[in-house]
Amino acid sequence: ETGVTQSPTHLIKTRGQQVTLRCSSQSGHNTVSWYQQALGQGPQFIFQYYREEENGRGNFPPRFSGLQFPNYSSELNVNALELDDSALYLCASSSPYEQYFGPGTRLTVT
Amino acid sequence: GIQVEQSPPDLILQEGANSTLRCNFSDSVNNLQWFHQNPWGQLINLFYIPSGTKQNGRLSATTVATERYSLLYISSSQTTDSGVYFCAAHGSGNTGKLIFGQGTTLQVKP
Repeated sequence: ETGVTQSPTHLIKTRGQQVTLRCSSQSGHNTVSWYQQALGQGPQFIFQYYREEENGRGNFPPRFSGLQFPNYSSELNVNALELDDSALYLCASSSPYEQYFGPGTRLTVT
Repeated sequence: GIQVEQSPPDLILQEGANSTLRCNFSDSVNNLQWFHQNPWGQLINLFYIPSGTKQNGRLSATTVATERYSLLYISSSQTTDSGVYFCAAHGSGNTGKLIFGQGTTLQVKP
């Protein structure tokens, strides 16, 4: 097992609502990346945080936003949820290149 | 950006058989990782291998960076090897964004 933890494990939300997902990075890792994995697909990069600053962003709209805290833990916020946001959300920590993934949060939007 | 392609998309083996999974990438890489995704969605690190050869038990991997491909070998397969195998890479100009292939779904029959 990696030292990366995520919460919650599962979440059900209604279209239009907002959601916050949380990630604690592995000890000694200062970089956190977030990915979205739709059913049957490979994970897609959302964004990365390095020392509390955004350090790269994938092709996701601004309603996907994030934060990284001084202890390197991170949050992913999604506003105005859409049905297509239903997916497994994965967090990974790294220092510097090899990425280690948490168990994921499965989000269902109804 | 870098593109990652995996083959074959699906593979069915009898327990005890050997297999080779292939990953092609379109540009030079700083990071090349192989993962096994279990039925609960957890991505398990198999190898961090931007170049060279590594072995871990029944698994081994080789990356030929100059020819832009990587191979994952599974010997004496077991039913617990079943699942989806992903290759992921990021290019020399990008420090964080891992690009995943579409995965190879492996089923090992007893």
